[in-house]
Amino acid sequence: NAGVTQTPKFQVLKTGQSMTLQCAQDMNHNSMYWYRQDPGMGLRLIYYSASEGTTDKGEVPNGYNVSRLNKREFSLRLESAAPSQTSVYFCASSEDQGGPYNSPLHFGNGTRLTVT
Amino acid sequence: AQSVTQLGSHVSVSEGALVLLRCNYSSSVPPYLFWYVQYPNQGLQLLLKYTTGATLVKGINGFEAEFKKSETSFHLTKPSAHMSDAAEYFCAVISNTDKLIFGTGTRLQVFP
Repeated sequence: NAGVTQTPKFQVLKTGQSMTLQCAQDMNHNSMYWYRQDPGMGLRLIYYSASEGTTDKGEVPNGYNVSRLNKREFSLRLESAAPSQTSVYFCASSEDQGGPYNSPLHFGNGTRLTVT
Repeated sequence: AQSVTQLGSHVSVSEGALVLLRCNYSSSVPPYLFWYVQYPNQGLQLLLKYTTGATLVKGINGFEAEFKKSETSFHLTKPSAHMSDAAEYFCAVISNTDKLIFGTGTRLQVFP
């Protein structure tokens, strides 16, 4: 039972390069999320997808795009990376039956991204 | 708008000592509150949650938290720390758009 799988685990980019972070869950969850974690700032929501085919902006969406490819997969794309996007990125999913208070988030192990 | 504040970015205790991690919330409606734990190089996992009902909530690994409306607090405690408790702990609240808002985290160190 893999849960939430993120690839790659580590990535170094130069300013202006693009890349896509991949996320897949095998729990048949409806909702998926992308967070970034920065020292002293906790986790901030970038984008989320409440169901297949829908995506919405979170707290810090600028510089990112997402795709909910199917129920299992939710990718995060950086079109033109900037040093301010150096962070640890977490994908999460939840069943969302009965509201978020009844459906804990399940997190992947993160992608550590450095932009030079 | 809902928010949480975690007092103390780092807490150090000796093995066997009481663990107390502080969280205060701000919410215009009855809050739903959570504690998540992050072990090194891993994602977060749910420790416990408060939705309604009993104000003392028990979680995994011997942790518990008490919802105190009068103090707008949801502090996390464990009577006796273990080396394996060393991790980062995040308090969180459900926002008015039904999304989790996380605090800035408290890193717990446990010394032998």
